[in-house]
Amino acid sequence: DAKTTQPNSMESNEEEPVHLPCNHSTISGTDYIHWYRQLPSQGPEYVIHGLTSNVNNRMASLAIAEDRKSSTLILHRATLRDAAVYYCMTRDMEYGNKLVFGAGTILRVKS
Amino acid sequence: GAGVSQSPSNKVTEKGKDVELRCDPISGHTALYWYRQRLGQGLEFLIYFQGNSAPDKSGLPSDRFSAERTGESVSTLTIQRTQQEDSAVYLCASSLETSGSYEQYFGPGTRLTVT
Repeated sequence: DAKTTQPNSMESNEEEPVHLPCNHSTISGTDYIHWYRQLPSQGPEYVIHGLTSNVNNRMASLAIAEDRKSSTLILHRATLRDAAVYYCMTRDMEYGNKLVFGAGTILRVKS
Repeated sequence: GAGVSQSPSNKVTEKGKDVELRCDPISGHTALYWYRQRLGQGLEFLIYFQGNSAPDKSGLPSDRFSAERTGESVSTLTIQRTQQEDSAVYLCASSLETSGSYEQYFGPGTRLTVT
């Protein structure tokens, strides 16, 4: 299974940008990088995904290193509602691209 | 539009009973996935469907667990002779296809408690 490494937790102030790092050194050339988040007592929510180029959507931006061994999820202005567990993962191209969830990063946002 | 729905939202059952958990994916999504999340832990992959077929059943914890999908739509996860260690939130997700370029959309989950 593809493996990712993330910090256990991070803290941010409200209205400030947050950069959540992820290492995926064993990624293969055709694996996409996906980010999901899980708010308390809810199912995971898709955030963003990319392959090689940086990606932007209404929720966040994804910066992918040139060698694709790491990526950074960027929340441009953190709000209290962004407090969640953020999971970075690569889509395992075997077995129907099941999502292999690691421990994730607990993001705390201070007002 | 309508998202992924799951029923029941909560289920309490006695040890040894059978339970059925239902998932209604987003219309038109050919891929469907089941995950399990024990309290305070990450998600554990159980099984996925491409259409009505389940090519990979390796994640099912034991032969007490089974799943089926019909009409490329609704899926049912069945747990026979439930045990206390089966207590968890069971999450269903669907995706347009199984390709890695497509995101998965999750339902709210079914919280199963085995007493």
